[in-house]
Amino acid sequence: EAGVTQFPSHSVIEKGQTVTLRCDPISGHDNLYWYRRVMGKEIKFLLHFVKESKQDESGMPNNRFLAERTGGTYSTLKVQPAELEDSGVYFCASSQDLASLGEQYFGPGTRLTVT
Amino acid sequence: ELKVEQNPLFLSMQEGKNYTIYCNYSTTSDRLYWYRQDPGKSLESLFVLLSNGAVKQEGRLMASLDTKARLSTLHITAAVHDLSATYFCAVVPTSNNNDMRFGAGTRLTVKP
Repeated sequence: EAGVTQFPSHSVIEKGQTVTLRCDPISGHDNLYWYRRVMGKEIKFLLHFVKESKQDESGMPNNRFLAERTGGTYSTLKVQPAELEDSGVYFCASSQDLASLGEQYFGPGTRLTVT
Repeated sequence: ELKVEQNPLFLSMQEGKNYTIYCNYSTTSDRLYWYRQDPGKSLESLFVLLSNGAVKQEGRLMASLDTKARLSTLHITAAVHDLSATYFCAVVPTSNNNDMRFGAGTRLTVKP
């Protein structure tokens, strides 16, 4: 069974540019999560989709970040315009049903560097 | 707001030694996860602790949970180089059990 995949693995952009990160969850997983880890700090929750609906987006830092999950399959996270403090590793995770003691499965992350 | 604190954040130890990583959290939870991450790789689930007093062991790693103290520990016995990685604890709050909050991670380096 394929795991959670993320693309690209690494992105280097200049301040002010736009970047779109993609996450493909495990097939059949309704729950999809985005997290971010800034250098040396905790993995911070960004948002949670259940199918195509945003269940909780309380962790989104500001309106420069836009997440979508059209059709309830893959998700994209767009940063526009990017700022220096957006640099970090963006993780995606998916789960069948965390509330029923399911587990989250993580992707390898996308390392974003804004220069 | 749920806060999850891990310590130490960095740990360098010799092979063969024992050590404990601590994870404190600030709200009611009866579910705690430990993950391992190797550089450039995804997080790998190590343990799921579901109740007060739960203890799980896998190889040289043992995790425990005290829900009353809101504390989990990850104990390393007779460390080997292969255990070098970053270890994260993550807590699912009782108030929102489809959610998860992480600690900052403990970067473990085991030296020969």
